[in-house]
Amino acid sequence: EAQVTQNPRYLITVTGKKLTVTCSQNMNHEYMSWYRQDPGLGLRQIYYSMNVEVTDKGDVPEGYKVSRKEKRNFPLILESPSPNQTSLYFCASSTRDRGRGYSNQPQHFGDGTRLSIL
Amino acid sequence: AQKVTQAQTEISVVEKEDVTLDCVYETRDTTYYLFWYKQPPSGELVFLIRRNSFDEQNEISGRYSWNFQKSTSSFNFTITASQVVDSAVYFCALSFWGNKLVFGAGTILRVKS
Repeated sequence: EAQVTQNPRYLITVTGKKLTVTCSQNMNHEYMSWYRQDPGLGLRQIYYSMNVEVTDKGDVPEGYKVSRKEKRNFPLILESPSPNQTSLYFCASSTRDRGRGYSNQPQHFGDGTRLSIL
Repeated sequence: AQKVTQAQTEISVVEKEDVTLDCVYETRDTTYYLFWYKQPPSGELVFLIRRNSFDEQNEISGRYSWNFQKSTSSFNFTITASQVVDSAVYFCALSFWGNKLVFGAGTILRVKS
């Protein structure tokens, strides 16, 4: 079954304790991206990756890191989490739109990770 | 600036009413893509439709229809004869520069029986 898998689904942690949210897709997609969803703000792009070892900042990258060492995995790292990073996080992937761009295809989303940072 | 505005924060309708969700976008690109996604109460995000900037044809899929007008930078979504199962948050999104995606704030649709 084609899917994007995020772990954990829920996490409550404390300020400053490093955490990693994993994301894995089994569709051989080039493009992967992380979003955070906050009430009244919709989804905001944190980081995206166009292929292995190619990543770039989205609209709200501060406080986050990513890496893309393998095509299927795109972990989101919070080195020193703070309460303002409490949010619902989504990972997504898509194929590349040939000749045009990477984010032009429909995104396949994971089920979300709800992070609470106290 | 690239931006998507969904001015309707929340809409409540009674079943069988028609409802239109508005989406207005801003971009300097001449090539861009627009999307609608649905987020039901269970939380997952479901793709509904994609439109590119060169295709202004309206689309109908069952009870759903989309009206894309470049002249007004709008990509509105209409649900005909709404049902309780249509209750969800609906997001409009814009893809630009070929690699970035920006979402609107979403519209909460509540359909009452």
